[in-house]
Amino acid sequence: NAGVTQTPKFRILKIGQSMTLQCTQDMNHNYMYWYRQDPGMGLKLIYYSVGAGITDKGEVPNGYNVSRSTTEDFPLRLELAAPSQTSVYFCASSYSHRGHEQYFGPGTRLTVT
Amino acid sequence: KQEVTQIPAALSVPEGENLVLNCSFTDSAIYNLQWFRQDPGKGLTSLLLIQSSQREQTSGRLNASLDKSSGRSTLYIAASQPGDSATYLCAVREDSNYQLIWGAGTKLIIKP
Repeated sequence: NAGVTQTPKFRILKIGQSMTLQCTQDMNHNYMYWYRQDPGMGLKLIYYSVGAGITDKGEVPNGYNVSRSTTEDFPLRLELAAPSQTSVYFCASSYSHRGHEQYFGPGTRLTVT
Repeated sequence: KQEVTQIPAALSVPEGENLVLNCSFTDSAIYNLQWFRQDPGKGLTSLLLIQSSQREQTSGRLNASLDKSSGRSTLYIAASQPGDSATYLCAVREDSNYQLIWGAGTKLIIKP
């Protein structure tokens, strides 16, 4: 199993550009998550999904959109990138919301200038 | 609002020492607590998950304890090795919602 994969690993965007961060998991997990991690800070939840077709906002959803058309994929869309979105983005998945571990992808380092 | 704090932010110890990393949380109504390891340029790896009804969990040289009433967890690493160098994060899952609330981590350096 590849686990959770993310692309790209690095990206530099200009202010106002848009992009999609890709996330795929091959563990047949229903639950998937997007987090951002700013320097010296803990992770903050952006969006999560409890299954195909179902998504919900986390703690910091503004400026982002998600979709979940399949169990495997959970892309994160940035519209009109801003410098405040410079961060490292992690995708994660888990078998259940509460009692099971979350498995993380390697992250995408995004810089907006 | 739940807040998770990890002190110290960084720690450097000689190889072979036993050490303790600390995690504190402000609201004791948690469902479980997890310890993660983060290596530079890589994702997070789950080390130990402690359910709210448990007092501790062990995996190899790692032992995590949980004291809900005092809002504290510790991660004990025995006989530290240079390969243990990483950032260690703790996260709590609250009873009231599905979100993990994260500490900022402790950056651990084990000197050969």
